[in-house]
Amino acid sequence: AQTVTQSQPEMSVQEAETVTLSCTYDTSENNYYLFWYKQPPSRQMILVIRQEAYKQQNATENRFSVNFQKAAKSFSLKISDSQLGDTAMYFCAFVYSGGGADGLTFGKGTHLIIQP
Amino acid sequence: ETGVTQSPTHLIKTRGQQVTLRCSSQSGHNTVSWYQQALGQGPQFIFQYYREEENGRGNFPPRFSGLQFPNYSSELNVNALELDDSALYLCASSLGSPQQETQYFGPGTRLLVL
Repeated sequence: AQTVTQSQPEMSVQEAETVTLSCTYDTSENNYYLFWYKQPPSRQMILVIRQEAYKQQNATENRFSVNFQKAAKSFSLKISDSQLGDTAMYFCAFVYSGGGADGLTFGKGTHLIIQP
Repeated sequence: ETGVTQSPTHLIKTRGQQVTLRCSSQSGHNTVSWYQQALGQGPQFIFQYYREEENGRGNFPPRFSGLQFPNYSSELNVNALELDDSALYLCASSLGSPQQETQYFGPGTRLLVL
């Protein structure tokens, strides 16, 4: 079974700063996808970024980028030029891509607070 | 907005009762997954429906059951409610296998069991 660990329960930074959220995972599989989801107080889970394990290039989406280290089983999220609207819970998630229907495995989340 | 809707938004039940939660998928999506998110935790996978058949299940007892309809909307049913069933219930839809495609989440239903 896969496990996802987010070791930072809460982080707080000033607006416009850069922040990095950590995620490690444990799996014996070689083919999988990794995700970062954002859950603001409104509760709706919103996809931030997705990484295919077979791709060496790190995914980027505007101010959001990841540092994917497959050998180390590490998948951190970097948010540049942070904004007040980035305040939310951030969840790292894993899914095996080789078949079956296991659903996403989530970490416990990091509460990110952007201070004005 | 993801196009995935859920009803109701909030629900209060008492222990031992039964509850039905509903989910309407994003247009064109034929796969629905349900998750339970306890307070302060990440979501946990309950089960998944693809083309009206359950094709994957997490570590949840049989009193958690579901349905998917021809229009790909879905229901989650929970029988014999327990206090620990209090949680946010999320559904997520995707086009085809969630293992290949990104899942898009609804806003959730907050269930409180007294």
